[in-house]
Amino acid sequence: DTGVSQDPRHKITKRGQNVTFRCDPISEHNRLYWYRQTLGQGPEFLTYFQNEAQLEKSRLLSDRFSAERPKGSFSTLEIQRTEQGDSAMYLCASSVTGIHGYTFGSGTRLTVV
Amino acid sequence: GDSVTQMEGPVTLSEEAFLTINCTYTATGYPSLFWYVQYPGEGLQLLLKATKADDKGSNKGFEATYRKETTSFHLEKGSVQVSDSAVYFCALADQAGTALIFGKGTTLSVSS
Repeated sequence: DTGVSQDPRHKITKRGQNVTFRCDPISEHNRLYWYRQTLGQGPEFLTYFQNEAQLEKSRLLSDRFSAERPKGSFSTLEIQRTEQGDSAMYLCASSVTGIHGYTFGSGTRLTVV
Repeated sequence: GDSVTQMEGPVTLSEEAFLTINCTYTATGYPSLFWYVQYPGEGLQLLLKATKADDKGSNKGFEATYRKETTSFHLEKGSVQVSDSAVYFCALADQAGTALIFGKGTTLSVSS
């Protein structure tokens, strides 16, 4: 088991373009989470899946953001019409129960220019 | 809503010094508490956890005790090393385990 994998590690995009990130969780973990981390801040919750069902979304997740987990395995996070304020580290995590903590991936750093 | 407050950094120490990073929380019910560490350019790693009052989490010489009476989960280490230099995040999970709520992080810098 290689842990939680995220791809790409870095993404530079022009404002207005769409971007998509991928997360592959630990195979036995049925819960998958997306977080966003800006410089000097702690991670902020975006959304959460249990298997393929998206059970909760933060108010931070505007309608330009969409996340999917089609078969309860990997997940994608898409940002449409990117804005400079979207520049951040996007972290994916997975867990079995949540109350015992998550395993985080290394993140995707997005820079919108 | 639930929240976590941790001491502002940066914390600058000499090698072998004693470390304390304060963390307090506000939550309904009985949350689980965590310390995560983030090394430069990397994701977050779970350092230690405690899931009920009076539990002590420990790992790699770090310790933290879940104190419900003071709603605190302070991180301590008796003798820090240069390799401990990182950002430390205190976090809580509600009883449903829906989402982790993080503090803003405390940067630790240890010099030899």
